[in-house]
Amino acid sequence: AQTVTQSQPEMSVQEAETVTLSCTYDTSESDYYLFWYKQPPSRQMILVIRQEAYKQQNATENRFSVNFQKAAKSFSLKISDSQLGDAAMYFCAYRSRTSYGKLTFGQGTILTVHP
Amino acid sequence: GAVVSQHPSRVICKSGTSVKIECRSLDFQATTMFWYRQFPKQSLMLMATSNEGSKATYEQGVEKDKFLINHASLTLSTLTVTSAHPEDSSFYICSASRSGRLSTDTQYFGPGTRLTVL
Repeated sequence: AQTVTQSQPEMSVQEAETVTLSCTYDTSESDYYLFWYKQPPSRQMILVIRQEAYKQQNATENRFSVNFQKAAKSFSLKISDSQLGDAAMYFCAYRSRTSYGKLTFGQGTILTVHP
Repeated sequence: GAVVSQHPSRVICKSGTSVKIECRSLDFQATTMFWYRQFPKQSLMLMATSNEGSKATYEQGVEKDKFLINHASLTLSTLTVTSAHPEDSSFYICSASRSGRLSTDTQYFGPGTRLTVL
């Protein structure tokens, strides 16, 4: 079974600074997807970024980018120019290619942004 | 992006009663829907996967007779918590995906339902 580990229960960053959230996973599969989801206080899950394992290029979405290291099974999220609205709980998630889209989530990291 | 709604957003019920939560995909047909449970400041725990027209697949440790899931149409799935007890109080989240087993589609989440059992 796949597992996803987020070793940072809480992180904080100053507004306009950069922060990196860590995620590692364990799998025996070679084809899969990785995601970062944001859950603000409203508790609505929001997709931040998605990475296909077969793609070597790291995914980027505006101020959000990932560092995907397939051999190391690492998938970190970098938030540049942090904004107050980035404050939320962030979840790393894994999805097998052939699992009906079933997601395995990490424990989550609470990100605080200081003005 | 695609929109998924849940109803109700909050529900309070007495111990021993049953509660039904609806999950609807508003602008797409959801072949597969998922139900999660989340405790405060914790991760989402997958309860079950439901595919339209077939029985739900429950995760290990989830009582199928207590958490009844129905996915009768491509836009609606329901979770019924039967004979609810205070320990069932939690935040329940559904999500929906267009595709089936070889899904390449993003999973879209509903806003969640907070259940409180007195």
